[in-house]
Amino acid sequence: AQSVTQLGSHVSVSEGALVLLRCNYSSSVPPYLFWYVQYPNQGLQLLLKYTSAATLVKGINGFEAEFKKSETSFHLTKPSAHMSDAAEYFCAVSDDSGGSNYKLTFGKGTLLTVNP
Amino acid sequence: EPEVTQTPSHQVTQMGQEVILRCVPISNHLYFYWYRQILGQKVEFLVSFYNNEISEKSEIFDDQFSVERPDGSNFTLKIRSTKLEDSAMYFCASSPGNYNEQFFGPGTRLTVL
Repeated sequence: AQSVTQLGSHVSVSEGALVLLRCNYSSSVPPYLFWYVQYPNQGLQLLLKYTSAATLVKGINGFEAEFKKSETSFHLTKPSAHMSDAAEYFCAVSDDSGGSNYKLTFGKGTLLTVNP
Repeated sequence: EPEVTQTPSHQVTQMGQEVILRCVPISNHLYFYWYRQILGQKVEFLVSFYNNEISEKSEIFDDQFSVERPDGSNFTLKIRSTKLEDSAMYFCASSPGNYNEQFFGPGTRLTVL
């Protein structure tokens, strides 16, 4: 069974500071990993994905994440936070263990607050 | 850019009533999903649908739930007799099947009174 742990339900940073949102996963087979962002009263938007190509993945809005198999981690970073980054961020894992399924298992989410 | 749409955006219903939540996935996608998010909790998988049949369902998806793709474009989630604990945001998602990337709709907020 696959699972995702997001350390820190709430992260607060100053505008211009580094953003680091942590995600650890477990999966019995090589995983596909995703970060989604949810702005208030909106749906889930894909930030970036890891699909067994490059371990450092670049996404939209200046975000990137690094897949570290030895640490079973997929932490999300952004060098300089912007006020518009304030949102909830979800890490998700998917694998092919179920055949034609690819369901996503989500972490509990991390609410990012950006202070002026 | 193509997107997943969902209607209605907000549905209020009485306990015991039937509700149908509607989704229009992206047109060339092959895999379809429903997820829900109870307020303050994580997004949970409900069901996946491929090749006109359910491919997997979670323990949440009991006999009160059903899904249908009636006309090749719409994808519906029916709850036959709603309970208070069904109150949640319901997200539809679709995927072309490449790299498992799923595209989510904006959600339907279901409130059961």
